Amino acid sequence: EDKVVQSPLSLVVHEGDTVTLNCSYEVTNFRSLLWYKQEKKAPTFLFMLTSSGIEKKSGRLSSILDKKELFSILNITATQTGDSAVYLCGKETSGSRLTFGEGTQLTVNP
Amino acid sequence: KAGVTQTPRYLIKTRGQQVTLSCSPISGHRSVSWYQQTPGQGLQFLFEYFSETQRNKGNFPGRFSGRQFSNSRSEMNVSTLELGDSALYLCASSLGSGTRVYEQYFGPGTRLTVT
Repeated sequence: EDKVVQSPLSLVVHEGDTVTLNCSYEVTNFRSLLWYKQEKKAPTFLFMLTSSGIEKKSGRLSSILDKKELFSILNITATQTGDSAVYLCGKETSGSRLTFGEGTQLTVNP
Repeated sequence: KAGVTQTPRYLIKTRGQQVTLSCSPISGHRSVSWYQQTPGQGLQFLFEYFSETQRNKGNFPGRFSGRQFSNSRSEMNVSTLELGDSALYLCASSLGSGTRVYEQYFGPGTRLTVT
């Protein structure tokens, strides 16, 4: 069974803090690892990772994949209140099927 | 270009009833996938339709079914509702065959509450 585990499930920080969100997955039929941000609406795509050790970066957000240890992290530096959201990690398998973790609820307080 | 639309946005039903949710994909998209999101289980894949055919199916009981019409609009049906079916139901559309999942665009979801 495909399984994706995210930690922590929730996190409360202050503006300006740096956070690291974790995602581990099972190796079966792995095609890519994806990160999404979900506010009170539809998830929006952040990153897709396929190669180990190559960091993807977009502004204050960055992500990296370790295919040997089967995990990925999402880093957010200098957090802002607008970063408050649920961050979803999903594993894409062959057949373009997506299995998500439970998500990490991030709350950034002013 | 209009995004993915889902109707209704909110719904309250009682146990034992059935419900039908609708999803209209982005114009030109032929694939629609459905997901269930609950606090305990996260976002779980229900099924995917492409060209009116179910192409992929998740691990949900037979009470959950779907279909897709020739205009690519899709409906999802849940029969004999249970309290545990209370969830946010998201649909996502993509161009279709060969599309990578990150190229899916999610709709705003239908919040179903079963009492």
